[in-house]
Amino acid sequence: GIQVEQSPPDLILQEGANSTLRCNFSDSVNNLQWFHQNPWGQLINLFYIPSGTKQNGRLSATTVATERYSLLYISSSQTTDSGVYFCAVRYSGTYKYIFGTGTRLKVLA
Amino acid sequence: DTAVSQTPKYLVTQMGNDKSIKCEQNLGHDTMYWYKQDSKKFLKIMFSYNNKELIINETVPNRFSPKSPDKAHLNLHINSLELGDSAVYFCASSQEGTAGGVGEQFFGPGTRLTVL
Repeated sequence: GIQVEQSPPDLILQEGANSTLRCNFSDSVNNLQWFHQNPWGQLINLFYIPSGTKQNGRLSATTVATERYSLLYISSSQTTDSGVYFCAVRYSGTYKYIFGTGTRLKVLA
Repeated sequence: DTAVSQTPKYLVTQMGNDKSIKCEQNLGHDTMYWYKQDSKKFLKIMFSYNNKELIINETVPNRFSPKSPDKAHLNLHINSLELGDSAVYFCASSQEGTAGGVGEQFFGPGTRLTVL
């Protein structure tokens, strides 16, 4: 079945730094989402990005479905960016989402 | 207005008890999900309903029984609770097309279940 791997597993940044988070998947997917789980446990939608590139403020994401990866870029990080970042992917023709193992990010003031 | 809501937010109970968690969405979506997040933060799908029909039923003990009275509600009933059931349970919803669709999921705030 599909495996979803995220890297790095843990990341510590100084406020203001930039970072790139990666999501690799093992088969063709037709849907991909990035989420941020904040320290209070809420899952916040960042991007719905089965392919292409999107930007939202300091965050942007790129999915290259043919090469089976997606990247999340965080620029000028802030302490409020701390938390766990998940990608979730789904096969074509199915409703089942599979979540990656997450990247735990800590941004220091 | 809360898009996907869950009740209760916290649930502390004794082993062997039966409990229910409720989920409601006001997004007009036709598909709802239950996920379990364990202590290591791993999120795994348990069940999904599309238009009140069960479409995903993962390898979950049959002590867990989902029920969808209508498209806007999905409840989770757990019988004979065990210590290992302690986790955060998330409800989610999406709007799907035909044949699987490509809907974006939206999550509720989660219910933290602690079994003593």
